[in-house]
Amino acid sequence: DQQVKQNSPSLSVQEGRISILNCDYTNSMFDYFLWYKKYPAEGPTFLISISSIKDKNEDGRFTVFLNKSAKHLSLHIVPSQPGDSAVYFCAASASGTYKYIFGTGTRLKVLA
Amino acid sequence: DAGVIQSPRHEVTEMGQEVTLRCKPISGHNSLFWYRQTMMRGLELLIYFNNNVPIDDSGMPEDRFSAKMPNASFSTLKIQPSEPRDSAVYFCASSFGGWVDEKLFFGSGTQLSVL
Repeated sequence: DQQVKQNSPSLSVQEGRISILNCDYTNSMFDYFLWYKKYPAEGPTFLISISSIKDKNEDGRFTVFLNKSAKHLSLHIVPSQPGDSAVYFCAASASGTYKYIFGTGTRLKVLA
Repeated sequence: DAGVIQSPRHEVTEMGQEVTLRCKPISGHNSLFWYRQTMMRGLELLIYFNNNVPIDDSGMPEDRFSAKMPNASFSTLKIQPSEPRDSAVYFCASSFGGWVDEKLFFGSGTQLSVL
């Protein structure tokens, strides 16, 4: 049973527009969430994180929003750039644990 | 820093053969993770080591899979015998403390194909 779900396998966006990647989770014990970005033939790299005590975290063009009641988080990229084309993984974990549960990923393609 | 180093990058083998994947974590990191990536299940945690000791191997799919960490700078993941359904990308990752809110640093992965 997938505790972290990324229901959109792929997304295409025009350069300069906003990219919104979504992630849903089922375990109410999760209180820390991360997004990782993965380019082909490379390992995932950390992008941005958010704790459950917040509902928003921003880092440059990247913003993560957390809706705890809906068990939903989203990653916004504004403006999108061709270099953002990659697979994005959502991950979740619970306090006091080491285990990150990852989603299946969303492949973002930013069109020039 | 060279980052997490995995070898080989690609491995093609026949069903029934033994496969050994290798990982060198970032120096100073005391936690090491093995993940497997598939289209259907995304990134699955196979096993977690802390200070070279296996803490959680509940993600290891079967007895055919085994992992060791003989010292702080080296770990192996072995599959014996391998099966076609083991075909996937295997990632090793390390972190400083192994707790939540610590970033995982991933290697480039090993693409395993079992024919």
